Formats: sequence, structure tokens, C-alpha cells
Amino acid sequence: ELKVEQNPLFLSMQEGKNYTIYCNYSTTSDRLYWYRQDPGKSLESLFVLLSNGAVKQEGRLMASLDTKARLSTLHITAAVHDLSATYFCAVDIAGTYKYIFGTGTRLKVLA
Amino acid sequence: DTGVSQDPRHKITKRGQNVTFRCDPISEHNRLYWYRQTLGQGPEFLTYFQNEAQLEKSRLLSDRFSAERPKGSFSTLEIQRTEQGDSAMYLCASSRSGAETQYFGPGTRLLVL
Repeated sequence: ELKVEQNPLFLSMQEGKNYTIYCNYSTTSDRLYWYRQDPGKSLESLFVLLSNGAVKQEGRLMASLDTKARLSTLHITAAVHDLSATYFCAVDIAGTYKYIFGTGTRLKVLA
Repeated sequence: DTGVSQDPRHKITKRGQNVTFRCDPISEHNRLYWYRQTLGQGPEFLTYFQNEAQLEKSRLLSDRFSAERPKGSFSTLEIQRTEQGDSAMYLCASSRSGAETQYFGPGTRLLVL
């Protein structure tokens, strides 16, 4: 079965702390996507990782991809309240136009 | 660039009725995707269009679901004989060939009573 699993599912952290969200996937894919979703809102693209070893950073967020391990990480540095949201990773299934999303990680940053 | 728009934003219907949703992608985007998202879950892929051609359909897209993109611009998603289990947020996204980023619309929230 094709799966995308995120860990943890819920994360409550203090402002200023660092943490990492993990995304494991079971399908063959060289491309991984990270999205942010605020409550009641649609999804916003954060990162597109297109190859093994890819690393991208934007502000306090940094994403990386290890296609051999089928693992991506989203690292949060010195969290601030504005980062509170649900974060999804997604992969496309090689040879198709289908995408599979993880169940999401709900992040709450406490002031 | 006005972004991806969806209409209606909310729909309440009775079980057994048909509903149709519309998605207008970003104007130069030839790729269009439909997803369904239930509370607390990630989006589930439904279908993909490249221009007017429907190139991919999920098994989730049962006989009661149909999608069209007749002129390669806007798309419609129709659900016939709605069931309570169809209650969800229906999301549309678009992208350009050669660009991997999908831009999502605000979604249509469907409630089937």
C-alpha cells in the first residue's frame, strides 16, 4: 500500500525552540512537496524538493530530502507563534500524475 | 494573477441531490487537479487534467463523480446522488507544465444532510 506518514501528528512547542517534522513515504518518488495549511484555509506551497540530497530554506523553515531512505524532514528553527499551522508533505507516484499527501502535522507554537 | 478560484465556497445539500463545483485555475496554467479533504486528514487526489484531457483518475472517483475541463480552462466536478460520506472540502489546484508548484484554490466545503 502506498503511504506517506508524518511524525509527529501533533506538536506543541515553545517559542524559540527548534524541532523537526519527519515524512516517510513508501512509494518510489524523487519529488517531495511541503505545504502549510491554516485552519479553515487552503494549502500554501512551502517547498518543492526535486532530487536526492535537496535542501531548501525559507526563513525559519528548512526542508531536506533523502530519496534512498524515502525520508524528508522539515526543520523549524527558533519557532515563532506565526508558524502555528498544519504542515503536510506529499509525493507524486512515479510514472503517474497522482499525488499522495501525509496526514499532516499540527503545530502549535506557544508564546 | 488572481489565483485559483472556486465556486461555490460552501454548499449544503440533501442526500440524493446532485451538486456541481467549478474551478478557475490561474490563467496560464495548463495542469489542473481536484482533491478531497476531510477533517483532520490530508488531501486525497481525485483527478488530473492536462489542458482538456483527463489523464489520471483515482479509484476514489466513483461512478457518481465526474469531472470535466471542456476548453482547457475552467473545470467542473459533479457529484451525483450525494451521500453523507461525500461531505468534505473539495480543493482544486493548478500548475504549469515544467513547474512543480501547485497553487491551491480556497476550496468548496460540501455538507450533505
